[in-house]
Amino acid sequence: DAKTTQPPSMDCAEGRAANLPCNHSTISGNEYVYWYRQIHSQGPQYIIHGLKNNETNEMASLIITEDRKSSTLILPHATLRDTAVYYCIVRVAYSGGGADGLTFGKGTHLIIQP
Amino acid sequence: EAGVVQSPRYKIIEKKQPVAFWCNPISGHNTLYWYLQNLGQGPELLIRYENEEAVDDSQLPKDRFSAERLKGVDSTLKIQPAELGDSAVYLCASSFGSGTEQYFGPGTRLTVT
Repeated sequence: DAKTTQPPSMDCAEGRAANLPCNHSTISGNEYVYWYRQIHSQGPQYIIHGLKNNETNEMASLIITEDRKSSTLILPHATLRDTAVYYCIVRVAYSGGGADGLTFGKGTHLIIQP
Repeated sequence: EAGVVQSPRYKIIEKKQPVAFWCNPISGHNTLYWYLQNLGQGPELLIRYENEEAVDDSQLPKDRFSAERLKGVDSTLKIQPAELGDSAVYLCASSFGSGTEQYFGPGTRLTVT
């Protein structure tokens, strides 16, 4: 799987949009971009994933550049409960059969300030 | 619906002692993963099961670690004997076949003294 690069930490004011960047310049054509987050003392939680189109769900939006070498996770209205470590992961999603384990980096520690 | 269940949540043992962790995945999820997470690092995959078959155990230190998933449902990860460096959080996750989401349990925090 391709590697990703994320800033180690970011701050964001409560109520503002949090924009978390991720570089994945060596991503392959069949690799998806996944985002997970890990709140303190909990297991990681799936947020969103995408291949090349922008994606939105109830938690966040994912913007992938046209060349797919970078992406941004957007939390539109950050709350204190969004303070967590956010992991950007690229991986191949298989159809049929099992899916490989996730390769986590160190992620971005997002701190939401009141 | 219940999430991934792990027990115990915390375990303190002396080095050279054995220890076991238990995981019950989400009902119907045939893929089960064990991850190791050291302080300040992201989780690292130890082993992946498809039903009762271990299909990826390349990162499992087989000299002291073992795992089983006998009936293709719950799973046990064992360390014998434990070393100081094994102090970490052990996470279990599950997914439905080729499903894209992995659901993680809360983890077991192991401290080896």
